[in-house]
Amino acid sequence: GAVVSQHPSWVICKSGTSVKIECRSLDFQATTMFWYRQFPKQSLMLMATSNEGSKATYEQGVEKDKFLINHASLTLSTLTVTSAHPEDSSFYICSAPDTYTGELFFGEGSRLTVL
Amino acid sequence: KQEVTQIPAALSVPEGENLVLNCSFTDSAIYNLQWFRQDPGKGLTSLLLIQSSQREQTSGRLNASLDKSSGRSTLYIAASQPGDSATYLCAVLHNSKLTFGKGITLSVRP
Repeated sequence: GAVVSQHPSWVICKSGTSVKIECRSLDFQATTMFWYRQFPKQSLMLMATSNEGSKATYEQGVEKDKFLINHASLTLSTLTVTSAHPEDSSFYICSAPDTYTGELFFGEGSRLTVL
Repeated sequence: KQEVTQIPAALSVPEGENLVLNCSFTDSAIYNLQWFRQDPGKGLTSLLLIQSSQREQTSGRLNASLDKSSGRSTLYIAASQPGDSATYLCAVLHNSKLTFGKGITLSVRP
């Protein structure tokens, strides 16, 4: 299947700093990518849909100024957590769909810990 | 609003046992259903994708079935192995939105 790579896999930062997470489709082009957040023992919560060349679509309750999404190319989407606080600590996962089948492929996830 | 339920939340079985993981959804007008595996602290690995027009898909020891009318899918794992221990999530694509269940954490005892 297709490969989606996410980086970094884990990051620790101080409160108030910004953190950028990258999501790359390695062997296919992705006009759309999805960003999820997952709390321990909970399901994935869709945060936003990243669209190449246009603004991201955010889910209700997700602050777009807090979670900046940029989808500048067909293989790269980035999520920047701005002015991070301890409550932003979570597991963030990106995914991209196969254009023809709709099958979703996920990155390895990024564990963010804000001190 | 689509809701996806996976019960039980956890399951422990001895090695070699055949097992069935259940997934139910409330709105049958789905585009597709996908089963994933998630290891602790890792991303999701796609196991099987069933389009709405299909009844089942097979990959190795895994077989997934879909019954849209009853809003159910099952993931059958044959001859379970300790390496199968992980959390299994199902997700349905409905109205261009993917909804996940909370997953079933499977432990296969040697």
